[in-house]
Amino acid sequence: GAGVSQSPSNKVTEKGKDVELRCDPISGHTALYWYRQSLGQGLEFLIYFQGNSAPDKSGLPSDRFSAERTGGSVSTLTIQRTQQEDSAVYLCASSFTGGHGELFFGEGSRLTVL
Amino acid sequence: DAKTTQPNSMESNEEEPVHLPCNHSTISGTDYIHWYRQLPSQGPEYVIHGLTSNVNNRMASLAIAEDRKSSTLILHRATLRDAAVYYCILRDEGGSEKLVFGKGTKLTVNP
Repeated sequence: GAGVSQSPSNKVTEKGKDVELRCDPISGHTALYWYRQSLGQGLEFLIYFQGNSAPDKSGLPSDRFSAERTGGSVSTLTIQRTQQEDSAVYLCASSFTGGHGELFFGEGSRLTVL
Repeated sequence: DAKTTQPNSMESNEEEPVHLPCNHSTISGTDYIHWYRQLPSQGPEYVIHGLTSNVNNRMASLAIAEDRKSSTLILHRATLRDAAVYYCILRDEGGSEKLVFGKGTKLTVNP
């Protein structure tokens, strides 16, 4: 497709389980970003990739959160030992230049931790 | 990242112009002013950005004060589809690549 694709769109998991969220950026976009948005809240930056490198991981809330990007394309955000406070919509965005290029966001993955 | 200040909410009537203000008194010379909006249950989408001069595109216009300490996003004729949260964001040309989203302005459009 032409846009940023995220999967799954919805994920319900039990506390303590690990989850993986996937992002397929727009083809050719070198920069990729992960954000999360808790219910009724603003967007919280998590991590930024330029190619396969992550020069800014400052927003990852704990060492339970990790992300990787392979082949300069697909990225996976992994949350280990999920907690109820991890429940949120996880949004991925990509951009062409990584500098002032327009960010294109996906529809997000809604994570619910029971 | 320099901070922006926006009203929490605004209301408009359909087919009328909307002026969404943003204050950024600590803006630096290399900060670009970006606007994004987030429709209900969707990811944010880019609206417009500028540095010093006023900018126009198919979605909106961006009016930047001469001292760059404030800017205004102008929707020329609001439609119901324009109801969204609008975010004004400063992005340093030479700094971090991330966008830092504040709370934005929730725009309600009345039919």
